Order: sequence, then C-alpha cells, then structure tokens
Amino acid sequence: DAGITQSPRYKITETGRQVTLMCHQTWSHSYMFWYRQDLGHGLRLIYYSAAADITDKGEVPDGYVVSRSKTENFPLTLESATRSQTSVYFCASSETGAPNSPLHFGNGTRLTVT
Amino acid sequence: DAKTTQPPSMDCAEGRAANLPCNHSTISGNEYVYWYRQIHSQGPQYIIHGLKNNETNEMASLIITEDRKSSTLILPHATLRDTAVYYCIVASGSARQLTFGSGTQLTVLP
Repeated sequence: DAGITQSPRYKITETGRQVTLMCHQTWSHSYMFWYRQDLGHGLRLIYYSAAADITDKGEVPDGYVVSRSKTENFPLTLESATRSQTSVYFCASSETGAPNSPLHFGNGTRLTVT
Repeated sequence: DAKTTQPPSMDCAEGRAANLPCNHSTISGNEYVYWYRQIHSQGPQYIIHGLKNNETNEMASLIITEDRKSSTLILPHATLRDTAVYYCIVASGSARQLTFGSGTQLTVLP
C-alpha cells in the first residue's frame, strides 16, 4: 500500500530556475492538495484539485503552477524559483471533498532556493 | 473555519494515557473536529475526526463535549513514538482548507 508519495525528498535549486515537485497517490482519491509549511505560518494551501483537469487556487498560489492530467498525479511547478519559496512542501489527497473526508499527507519535499 | 486553542506543550509518561485538550468555542453546526499529528520532518498524519459523537479507532479516542465547544484526544497507552506535535482542527466546506494552528507538542517520557 504505497499511499501518497512525493519526490524528490530534498531539492536545492537556484533563483530563477524552474523546478517541479511530484506527487503520486495510489488510492484513486478525487481531491489532491499542495501545502507549504513555514515556521510561524503553519500549513498554507497553495492549490487544490477536485478531479483530473480541475484545479483551483488556495491561499498562496502566486509563483506556482499545477496540472492534473491523471487522477493519480498532481505535480507542482515553480516557474521561476525565488528565495521566498524555500519551504517544505506537502502534497495531500482525500477521497472526496466532503468535510468528513480526511486528508492524507505525503512526507514532503524540502526545497531550498539559493 | 472556527479557531482552536491548544496548550503549547504537554508531557506524558510512557504507558499512561495522554489526554490532549482543544477548545473550539466558535465551532458551527456543520464543522467537524479533526486531529492530526506531525512527527519531526514527516507529513501530518491523520488520527481521527468527529462531528458530535465520541469516536474511537485503532489509534485514539475523540471525546467531544455535548455543546461541542471543546474536545479531548486520548491516546490510551502512549509510547515514545507518539512524541509529536498534535493539531486540533475544525473544518467545513468542500475545499477542505485545513487551518493548522500551533498545536500541542506532546513529549512521551520513558
């Protein structure tokens, strides 16, 4: 039972580079989410997706792009990385979007932008 | 989503029950109470959730007061591996935007 996996686990990139963080889930969950976690800010929602080809902005979407061509994958792209995007990124999924459908998180990608 | 208040830290002896309180006095009727925990450098782990009734699963029990203004997460026999930050969250809505507050750092002592 692989669940939800994120790759890479760690990434160092330079300012201005494009970088893509991968997220894959094996549950066929409808909803997928991207959060970032920073000290003092807790977890903040970047983007979420209700189904393949349906995505929507969260609290902090600027500088990020997402796509969801297949139900199981939800990559997050930083088109031109900035130092302020140094963070730990968590992908999550839930079976439905109902309030009683829990989120299940991956183990995160620690991204450093130099 | 309603705001929650948790103590910043708690200690518990290994093998004893850990009782983690959470206040959510502004909770509305359609908001669920969720508990997650996060062990250092890992993703948040779902523990349990409930609406009105008490709930139990293989990890923990959730006790919600009758007025729903507070709840308690109970880990019946805490182990060292239960040392983590525990987050109490109230959630509603289809977007499932969970607001993680500061949580409670639970330290299980040998």
